[in-house]
Amino acid sequence: GENVEQHPSTLSVQEGDSAVIKCTYSDSASNYFPWYKQELGKGPQLIIDIRSNVGEKKDQRIAVTLNKTAKHFSLHITETQPEDSAVYFCAAKGKGSSGSARQLTFGSGTQLTVLP
Amino acid sequence: KAGVTQTPRYLIKTRGQQVTLSCSPISGHRSVSWYQQTPGQGLQFLFEYFSETQRNKGNFPGRFSGRQFSNSRSEMNVSTLELGDSALYLCASSLEPSGFSYNEQFFGPGTRLTVL
Repeated sequence: GENVEQHPSTLSVQEGDSAVIKCTYSDSASNYFPWYKQELGKGPQLIIDIRSNVGEKKDQRIAVTLNKTAKHFSLHITETQPEDSAVYFCAAKGKGSSGSARQLTFGSGTQLTVLP
Repeated sequence: KAGVTQTPRYLIKTRGQQVTLSCSPISGHRSVSWYQQTPGQGLQFLFEYFSETQRNKGNFPGRFSGRQFSNSRSEMNVSTLELGDSALYLCASSLEPSGFSYNEQFFGPGTRLTVL
């Protein structure tokens, strides 16, 4: 099945700086890559996603890039603010662990802290 | 439009007991997926239901089961609870099953289960 690795596990940046989180995936047939933000005590919230036929997508201060050849994708947050502090998860939609229907496999998460 | 709701939010059980968690998807969403989130294993897929049928299943023992009702509400059940079952159980809803490539999933706040 799909395997997703996420780095770094923790990231601290100064307010106003940029943050980059990287993920790699193993299943070359994976075709959908969402990113989620999880705040303390809440469920993950979808913040941006990208399809395999697109190389880059941007939404205000957030952007995601995808390199299918290298099988990696990244989340870029510009002009970070304290409210961006949360755990961020990447995910890839590939075959399940038993070769079953496509499902999301998540990375291990990145704790982002934006220092004021 | 109301989001995904999960009840109860917190639950404390003892080893050997069983527990039932409930999830109400976003109105109009017919697919419900369940995930287990722990600090050590991250977000792991349990199973998915669509139109009252289990469509996909992760690598969890048979003690974990679920069902979906005609109104798309879903329940998951864990029998013979073990200490290692302590986790945040998340439910996610989507319009179509995960087999559809670009299917956005929206998460509920989760049920925090503690097994003593």
